[in-house]
Amino acid sequence: DQQVKQNSPSLSVQEGRISILNCDYTNSMFDYFLWYKKYPAEGPTFLISISSIKDKNEDGRFTVFLNKSAKHLSLHIVPSQPGDSAVYFCAALYNNAGNMLTFGGGTRLMVKP
Amino acid sequence: DAGITQSPRYKITETGRQVTLMCHQTWSHSYMFWYRQDLGHGLRLIYYSAAADITDKGEVPDGYVVSRSKTENFPLTLESATRSQTSVYFCASARRGRGDTQYFGPGTRLTVL
Repeated sequence: DQQVKQNSPSLSVQEGRISILNCDYTNSMFDYFLWYKKYPAEGPTFLISISSIKDKNEDGRFTVFLNKSAKHLSLHIVPSQPGDSAVYFCAALYNNAGNMLTFGGGTRLMVKP
Repeated sequence: DAGITQSPRYKITETGRQVTLMCHQTWSHSYMFWYRQDLGHGLRLIYYSAAADITDKGEVPDGYVVSRSKTENFPLTLESATRSQTSVYFCASARRGRGDTQYFGPGTRLTVL
C-alpha cells in the first residue's frame, strides 16, 4: 500500500496562472517532505523541501504547504511558466530512517503558453 | 565531467540473463541509492549504501544484488532478469545522511524480453 500518494496523475494550467500539486501521506512517522521535478529522459532534481515543524516554505515561485493534521502537502507554483512542464514527485522521510525516501507516483504538469 | 553518470543508458536483454547497471559519482558522496521507476508507482528504492562496503535493502530488493567496493561506484546486478524488471532505473547520491539532497543520474531504461 502506497504511503505517499499523488492522486492527480496530470494537471494542465495556463501560463501565468497558479499550479497546485497535491500529495497525501498515511504514515505519521514521516517528518520531512521534499518535491522533485523530472524532465523526460533526465533524472529527478530536487526542488524544495519542508520539515514537519513548519507549515510553509517558500523559494521564489515555489511554495510548499504542509497540513500535518490532514497529512497533506501541496506545491504551489506562481506564476506558472512553460518551462515548469514536467513530472513532479513528492517524497517523504521517516524520522529515523536515514536518507530513505518514499516517493509518490508523480503528477505530470503541463503549462500551456 | 563531474556529477553522477549511469551506463548503459538503454539496455535490452532476455529473460534469465544477468545484467549489470553501472553508477559512478565524482563528488565522493557517502550515500548512494538505486531506484526503479514504474508507471503509477513513482520511484521505489531497491538498495542503498551509506558508505563503501555498507549496503542495505530498500523497498523492492528481490532479484537484485549490489556492491560498493569503492565510494564512487555502486553497480546494480540483476542476476537472472525477469520481465517484471523492465523499468527505468535511477541511481542517486547524497553527501551525507538524513534529509540531505539526493542527486540523480540520468537513468537506464532496461527492457527484459
